[in-house]
Amino acid sequence: DVKVTQSSRYLVKRTGEKVFLECVQDMDHENMFWYRQDPGLGLRLIYFSYDVKMKEKGDIPEGYSVSREKKERFSLILESASTNQTSMYLCASLRREGGNTIYFGEGSWLTVV
Amino acid sequence: AQTVTQSQPEMSVQEAETVTLSCTYDTSENNYYLFWYKQPPSRQMILVIRQEAYKQQNATENRFSVNFQKAAKSFSLKISDSQLGDTAMYFCAFITYNNNDMRFGAGTRLTVKP
Repeated sequence: DVKVTQSSRYLVKRTGEKVFLECVQDMDHENMFWYRQDPGLGLRLIYFSYDVKMKEKGDIPEGYSVSREKKERFSLILESASTNQTSMYLCASLRREGGNTIYFGEGSWLTVV
Repeated sequence: AQTVTQSQPEMSVQEAETVTLSCTYDTSENNYYLFWYKQPPSRQMILVIRQEAYKQQNATENRFSVNFQKAAKSFSLKISDSQLGDTAMYFCAFITYNNNDMRFGAGTRLTVKP
């Protein structure tokens, strides 16, 4: 079974802190994604990556950056956390072959106080 | 930009009845995949059904079927014989052959009532 692991399930951070959310997948997928999920807004794409060191902005990249130094790992960085970044963050990886199957992590609940 | 719109924030249905969830999308691409995902209270995302745009036949998975209207850019999900376990958030999503970004709609919260 494909596994997408988000290392932090629940975090509480202070305004202005630098926050790292880590995501690892074990199936050699090229495509990985970071979404944030908020009530009434669904899943909004923050950043995605289609290869090592390659990244593309999604719909809401402001206040975030990403890192993809290794194929299996895709990190989301909040350079200076703000209260409006309190949300659930979902990482996903995509297998293109056989119909584009996306696999999600369990989510990281981030509260910024 | 490619967008996905779900115009029904909440819906409810009686157990054993049929319900249809709506989804429209916008893309200039001709080849793409469409999906419906279910997110129960556990928050784990579960693939319900998938449709390839080049296939004219509507996809079906047991009690779940879609009505895919390519010209109208519409992709609705029909749930027949609704069960209590169908209670969840449902997200419509799509990805094109040429791009690597997968987009989701805002979701529809479905409640199945006993």
